[in-house]
Amino acid sequence: EIVLTQSPGTLTLSPGERATLSCRASQGISTSSLAWYQQRRGQAPRVLIYGTSSRATGIPDRYSGSGSGRDFTLTISRLEPEDFAVYYCQQYYNSRTFGQGTTVEIK
Amino acid sequence: QVHLVESGGDLVKPGESLRLSCAVSGFTFSNFYMTWIRQAPGRGLEWLSYIDRDGTTTDYADSVRGRFTISRDNAKNELFLQMNNLRAEDTALYYCAKGHTFIDFGGGQGTLVTVSS
Repeated sequence: EIVLTQSPGTLTLSPGERATLSCRASQGISTSSLAWYQQRRGQAPRVLIYGTSSRATGIPDRYSGSGSGRDFTLTISRLEPEDFAVYYCQQYYNSRTFGQGTTVEIK
Repeated sequence: QVHLVESGGDLVKPGESLRLSCAVSGFTFSNFYMTWIRQAPGRGLEWLSYIDRDGTTTDYADSVRGRFTISRDNAKNELFLQMNNLRAEDTALYYCAKGHTFIDFGGGQGTLVTVSS
């Protein structure tokens, strides 16, 4: 099983700041097989990024994804109030697994 | 627009069974793989299973393999998850989702399964 480890566990930032979230895989995965999801409190998750760097339909361009091999990053360039949420990475290279999540909270 | 409505969650005792359903609208169900995901209270997301377009190919997480069975009825636009021999650690909110690589939860609210004696 591919284990995804997200860091940090919690990111405390102010609106307007830049958020950088990391996801490390226990083995290398194809860049076509990594996605990011956002889950706001009380809501179902929604996909933000797939294939490491492709934004899903309707996702604003302040969200971007990058990475390769074992290390992947989700960047939110300028945090808006609605961006404070939990973020999960997911691999679909070998079966499917999720990271444990990173909480982005308001400072 | 993708619309997924999960149902069938309940309070059951360890060892009992439950069948979850997912009613689908807003897309051509038979054209897409489908997935079940769960989220234990206060915890992260756990991938459980997916099924291909015609129901012939499935995959399961080790945690549920042999106990859970995914199936679908393309004529009725419904996805199912048969859960047998339930354990306390199966307590979670269960979501269905469209696709099997990156997935679309369709804004569904999930259905709550509680396993407790």
